Amino acid sequence: AQSVTQPDARVTVSEGASLQLRCKYSSSGTPYLFWYVQYPRQGLQLLLKYYSGDPVVQGVNGFEAEFSKSNSSFHLRKASVHWSDSAVYFCVLRDTNAYKVIFGKGTHLHVLP
Amino acid sequence: GGIITQTPKFLIGQEGQKLTLKCQQNFNHDTMYWYRQDSGKGLRLIYYSITENDLQKGDLSEGYDASREKKSSFSLTVTSAQKNEMAVFLCASSISGSETLYFGSGTRLTVL
Repeated sequence: AQSVTQPDARVTVSEGASLQLRCKYSSSGTPYLFWYVQYPRQGLQLLLKYYSGDPVVQGVNGFEAEFSKSNSSFHLRKASVHWSDSAVYFCVLRDTNAYKVIFGKGTHLHVLP
Repeated sequence: GGIITQTPKFLIGQEGQKLTLKCQQNFNHDTMYWYRQDSGKGLRLIYYSITENDLQKGDLSEGYDASREKKSSFSLTVTSAQKNEMAVFLCASSISGSETLYFGSGTRLTVL
């Protein structure tokens, strides 16, 4: 069965520190993976997506993610976080039904100023 | 660019009441979605629509109806509101299938 697991419900880091948000997936076929961000009282916005090719994909606002087939992972990274990065981050996997996606439960990132 | 507009932003209803949430998009996207967001549970799909007048049930469709009478609009009805349904309902659209989803800012439902 297809699934997405974000093991960390909450992550707290200091401004300027590096960041990694973890995502593990289970997929029966080629995984199409996304990271979305939800700022307070807003809808979700796409950060980046991976379909194939270079396993490191660049996104908006300095975020990147690395796909690993051997580890079934798609971790999100940023070299230096800003307080404005405080938000909820969702890892998302396309389902076998191409019109449906599966959301992880989200990781709430709190950046200390 | 386009925008997805959800109305109302806040909806307060009584237990047992029928409540309707509306969503409009001007992206000219074919596919539209309704998700429910509960704290700590991620997003769960209620209904989606591949094109005008099409409806497909998601994982959480029981207790809800949906309507897609125009390409630009997609409404969701809570058929009988229950107190355990207090959540944020998010509407989204995409060009087709699993392409990028564009989200509205949500309707927060409170049931008294």
